[in-house]
Amino acid sequence: ELKVEQNPLFLSMQEGKNYTIYCNYSTTSDRLYWYRQDPGKSLESLFVLLSNGAVKQEGRLMASLDTKARLSTLHITAAVHDLSATYFCAVDGGGADGLTFGKGTHLIIQP
Amino acid sequence: DAGITQSPRHKVTETGTPVTLRCHQTENHRYMYWYRQDPGHGLRLIHYSYGVKDTDKGEVSDGYSVSRSKTEDFLLTLESATSSQTSVYFCAIADGTGVHIQYFGAGTRLSVL
Repeated sequence: ELKVEQNPLFLSMQEGKNYTIYCNYSTTSDRLYWYRQDPGKSLESLFVLLSNGAVKQEGRLMASLDTKARLSTLHITAAVHDLSATYFCAVDGGGADGLTFGKGTHLIIQP
Repeated sequence: DAGITQSPRHKVTETGTPVTLRCHQTENHRYMYWYRQDPGHGLRLIHYSYGVKDTDKGEVSDGYSVSRSKTEDFLLTLESATSSQTSVYFCAIADGTGVHIQYFGAGTRLSVL
């Protein structure tokens, strides 16, 4: 059974600081996804990581994947308030039979 | 929301009543999914479909059934709603290409009293 663990589950940080969210998964996966969710809203796709060593960057967010360690990270650089949200990682166990999600990281960025 | 419409957006119902949630897409994507989101659990897969009349169970399928008679519509039915099914339900679609990004609808907030 595929399990996905995120940590931390809650993070409060100040603007301008850097931080990293970690996502560990238990079995081999073809694809790893990062999503953002604002309160009361839908999920927005941020990154898809397909291969070992993959790195994707968009603005102040950078995601990476280490398939050997079964670990993905989402790094936030010089955080700004607008990045406050809940971030989920999700793993595709193979085929197209749905994603297994982590519990999410609730990120609050304070001025 | 990537051409996905969920209806209703909010529903309050009583224990024991049947409830049907609808997901409609205009993207002609092959794959459709139903998830539920509960505090402390992230999202969990209920059922999914890989084509018309082709469906399969997910992690938390007990108490739910689905139907897909047309490419654009995926229905989720709670035959006899229970309070444990109070949740936010999200539909997602994907086109089945190599990247296979799932795009999510706006969600349906269901309260079972």
